[in-house]
Amino acid sequence: AQSVTQLGSHVSVSEGALVLLRCNYSSSVPPYLFWYVQYPNQGLQLLLKYTSAATLVKGINGFEAEFKKSETSFHLTKPSAHMSDAAEYFCAVRVILTGGGNKLTFGTGTQLKVEL
Amino acid sequence: NAGVTQTPKFRILKIGQSMTLQCTQDMNHNYMYWYRQDPGMGLKLIYYSVGAGITDKGEVPNGYNVSRSTTEDFPLRLELAAPSQTSVYFCASRMSSGTGAGELFFGEGSRLTVL
Repeated sequence: AQSVTQLGSHVSVSEGALVLLRCNYSSSVPPYLFWYVQYPNQGLQLLLKYTSAATLVKGINGFEAEFKKSETSFHLTKPSAHMSDAAEYFCAVRVILTGGGNKLTFGTGTQLKVEL
Repeated sequence: NAGVTQTPKFRILKIGQSMTLQCTQDMNHNYMYWYRQDPGMGLKLIYYSVGAGITDKGEVPNGYNVSRSTTEDFPLRLELAAPSQTSVYFCASRMSSGTGAGELFFGEGSRLTVL
């Protein structure tokens, strides 16, 4: 079964520092992978997606992620953290459903804290 | 541009009560989903629908029911509410199969507390 694992439930960085949020996937087929961001008391918003085209994917708000098949990873990075980046981040993989269609299976999330 | 709209945003229920969480989308998406989010657990799929009149169970369907009479609406019903159903519920939708990568568009959530 396809799944994702996020390493580190809480990550703290200083403003201006590199942000690195880790996600590893498990899939027997080429995966479609996603990163979502959730601000407090809001729904999930798509940051970026990997669909087997370019391995380096750029998203909104200066975030990017690199698909590495050899490491089964899809880590999210941002060169310089801003206070407004404080949120919870979810990695997800697309899973084909037996009844037709597909769903997203999510990791357990990483809470990013940005300190002055 | 409304997207996915959920009501109510907050609700407190007593054990044994029933209620319906409403979800509507205006993007003409065929696929709709209900997830629940619990702290440290990520999101778990409750039910999904691939089109009007078609629904199927997800990972955690017990205690819930859904219906899909129109493309726009996908209500989630809780029968005999239990404290274990205290959670934040998210409705989501996506474009038809074969279009897009499968990314979901989420509502803002419905926070339910069962006491």
